[in-house]
Amino acid sequence: SAVISQKPSRDICQRGTSLTIQCQVDSQVTMMFWYRQQPGQSLTLIATANQGSEATYESGFVIDKFPISRPNLTFSTLTVSNMSPEDSSIYLCSVEGQFSYNEQFFGPGTRLTVL
Amino acid sequence: AQSVAQPEDQVNVAEGNPLTVKCTYSVSGNPYLFWYVQYPNRGLQFLLKYITGDNLVKGSYGFEAEFNKSQTSFHLKKPSALVSDSALYFCAVRDSSGGSYIPTFGRGTSLIVHP
Repeated sequence: SAVISQKPSRDICQRGTSLTIQCQVDSQVTMMFWYRQQPGQSLTLIATANQGSEATYESGFVIDKFPISRPNLTFSTLTVSNMSPEDSSIYLCSVEGQFSYNEQFFGPGTRLTVL
Repeated sequence: AQSVAQPEDQVNVAEGNPLTVKCTYSVSGNPYLFWYVQYPNRGLQFLLKYITGDNLVKGSYGFEAEFNKSQTSFHLKKPSALVSDSALYFCAVRDSSGGSYIPTFGRGTSLIVHP
């Protein structure tokens, strides 16, 4: 299993500002995932982050709005840029096990409120 | 393509009674199936998975799930519910035949166990 921490755990931000969320894993992993969970809804994958390459974004998400860094095999950041109230969500970092039949491990999430 | 459906937004059960949270899936090949639980203000925690073999899978906290290939279902069950089981439950599927390595999550089912 993997232990994942996220910072900050929650934040309240003003419209038009940006917030960077950090994700730290206690072991080296190839792929890290960033999800958004809007109130009362399921998880939506934002992007997949591999170390040493550009993140792969899902439909509806763009790098200018959600830039991602992956400087090494244990760390990643997600920035939510030029925020609006619609960005209010829980943002979750996740890693997968070594094989495709392995479960994912999730961080505790960052609860973002944009005023 | 892969998809998963959780037909119930909410399940209510009395403490001590058996509980079932439903999940159906669709994949091209054979499925890898997962259940996760999310407690308030927490990330998702892995409960159990089906990869192959015995159709009845046992997991954490006394939960089990039965894989039914003919009905393409993977319902989560527990013989005797506890108030502390109240949480949000997510079913997820990944197609073992290749393609996307990213699982698809259901919309989630809120389980409420009444004292």
